[in-house]
Order: sequence, then structure tokens, then C-alpha cells
Amino acid sequence: QVQLVESGGGLVKPGGSLRLSCAASGFTFSDYYMSWIRQAPGKGLEWVSYISSSSSYTNYADSVKGRFTISRDNAKNSLYLQMNSLRAEDTAVYYCARMTSSWDFDYWGQGTLVTVSS
Amino acid sequence: EIVLTQSPGTLSLSPGERATLSCRASQSVSSSYLAWYQQKPGQAPRLLIYGASSRATGIPDRFSGSGSGTDFTLTISRLEPEDFAVYYCQQYGSSPAFGGGTKVEIK
Repeated sequence: QVQLVESGGGLVKPGGSLRLSCAASGFTFSDYYMSWIRQAPGKGLEWVSYISSSSSYTNYADSVKGRFTISRDNAKNSLYLQMNSLRAEDTAVYYCARMTSSWDFDYWGQGTLVTVSS
Repeated sequence: EIVLTQSPGTLSLSPGERATLSCRASQSVSSSYLAWYQQKPGQAPRLLIYGASSRATGIPDRFSGSGSGTDFTLTISRLEPEDFAVYYCQQYGSSPAFGGGTKVEIK
């Protein structure tokens, strides 16, 4: 069965960096676009970034453009999110999700919490 | 940038009642790219409906989606206890975007 497992969250100071990982299993990872979506405490869902199956194309929300970098390693069935220049407003649970051809998200990980605070 | 507005913010209903949730887009959205999700506390969202009206794998037929253009609706025909949750619509225009959510709570 499809599984997505995020890791790498934690407490970081404003201006700091963090790298999130998402380990995928149960499907042919290299066939799918993948995405990161976040949810601030008590708030709604916010799409963050997606990457094409071969890494040739990436897209970012304006709120993270220039600070976050999405990448993937198809040999390791893994998705990454490098987060730099972190701000308090980046505090959220970060989910990785598989994208479908209809540009929706059919499988989600359990999420990893990122807290940006001094 | 397309903005999705969901209404109402909260819907208070009893089990067995019908729930009608609205998602309005700031400009026309392709029906192929409109989805609905359910999220329960402490859990990741779950895809319910894609392509505006197609149920995802394993989703009960009491959930249905409809609409086109700028107005979309998620209907739950008879609420079961496990259906009380927050529901989000999502579209893909130039980038994916979610609505603000509708909470369906027990009256």
C-alpha cells in the first residue's frame, strides 16, 4: 500500500534552516509529481511546492519562493524540502503528498511539525 | 491567482441530516481540477472527490460533488458520526490552492 513518511521537523530559531524528508513506498515513485503542503496550528491547508517526476519542473507558493527548495531522489524514493531563512509564520505541520494527473493529492503522509521560535 | 471561498464556515447538523457545502472560485475553474478533502483532528486530509464529481477510491456514495465554472458543491446525503470533520475544496489553476474550509459539527 502507498505510504509517505515525513521526517526532519523540529524547533528552529528565526533565520535558521531545516531540511524535511519524505520516504515513499508502495508505488512507483518516479512516475509521480510530488508536493509539500503545510498547515499552521488551527488554520487551513496551504500548498507550498511541487516537483515533477523527473525533477525538471518545480513550482513554489509566493510565500516561500526564494527561501525553500524542493528536490527528490528517485533512486531513494525520497522527497525533500530545504527550508532557509525561516520565519515564525512558517510554523506548521508539513505534509508530503502524491499528486495525480488531475492536479489533486491522493495520498498524504502523517505530517511533521516545524516550529520557528526564539 | 484563483481564490476559493468556502461557505458556511461552520455547519451544525445532526446525524442523518443532509449537508451541503459550497466552494466558490474568484474566476472560472476547470471542473477537471476541482477536488474535495476531509480532515479529522490530528489526521492528514483525505481525498474525497476529484474532477468535481468523481469519488476517490473507497469513498462511500453518500458523498457527492457537483458544479462547474465558479460554483461547486459537496453534498453528504445522510451524515454518519464519522463524517463530522473539516472539509476543504482545492483547485489547480497556475498553482494548487485550497479554500479556507468548512467545519461540519454535531448539533
